[in-house]
Amino acid sequence: DAGVTQSPTHLIKTRGQQVTLRCSPKSGHDTVSWYQQALGQGPQFIFQYYEEEERQRGNFPDRFSGHQFPNYSSELNVNALLLGDSALYLCASRQTGSLGYTFGSGTRLTVV
Amino acid sequence: GENVEQHPSTLSVQEGDSAVIKCTYSDSASNYFPWYKQELGKRPQLIIDIRSNVGEKKDQRIAVTLNKTAKHFSLHITETQPEDSAVYFCAARGFSNDYKLSFGAGTTVTVRA
Repeated sequence: DAGVTQSPTHLIKTRGQQVTLRCSPKSGHDTVSWYQQALGQGPQFIFQYYEEEERQRGNFPDRFSGHQFPNYSSELNVNALLLGDSALYLCASRQTGSLGYTFGSGTRLTVV
Repeated sequence: GENVEQHPSTLSVQEGDSAVIKCTYSDSASNYFPWYKQELGKRPQLIIDIRSNVGEKKDQRIAVTLNKTAKHFSLHITETQPEDSAVYFCAARGFSNDYKLSFGAGTTVTVRA
């Protein structure tokens, strides 16, 4: 079982650029959430996707957007990157009806 | 929204001793409380969780207790080993239509050999 896989593992971008991060959920999981984890802090909820729709959103600006595909995989897009967007971006998946989330290893985004 | 506070931020224990991490939450409707362990450069891994209808849950050397009245829950690690060294996060999930996990700021646990 491959678990949750994320790509790329590391990324360096310049301020003002756009970035797309990708996530494949664990086999059997249909719900995908994205979290931002700044250095030394706990993960902060960005949004969750289910049935290709954004179901819930955290306190993040519209520069953060996402998508879920029919195979349950998901993308996180961030436009107009700011230095403060530098963080570890984590994807977590679960099966509808269960409570437990499985996290991926994350994408380390550095904005310079 | 839900606010989770976690204490202490760092914890150093002698190998073989116990470690206790405490979290409080603000939303009385929260019904699910997982604990995650994150080693340096690795993904958060679920180590134990508890639902609001249970007061205590144990899995080998790890236990979690929940006090709904006081709105706090704790992680207990007994007979600590060097491999227990990591950052531990508590989290809470709100009512049935609130799908997100709200995390504490984390506790860095160091087990001294």
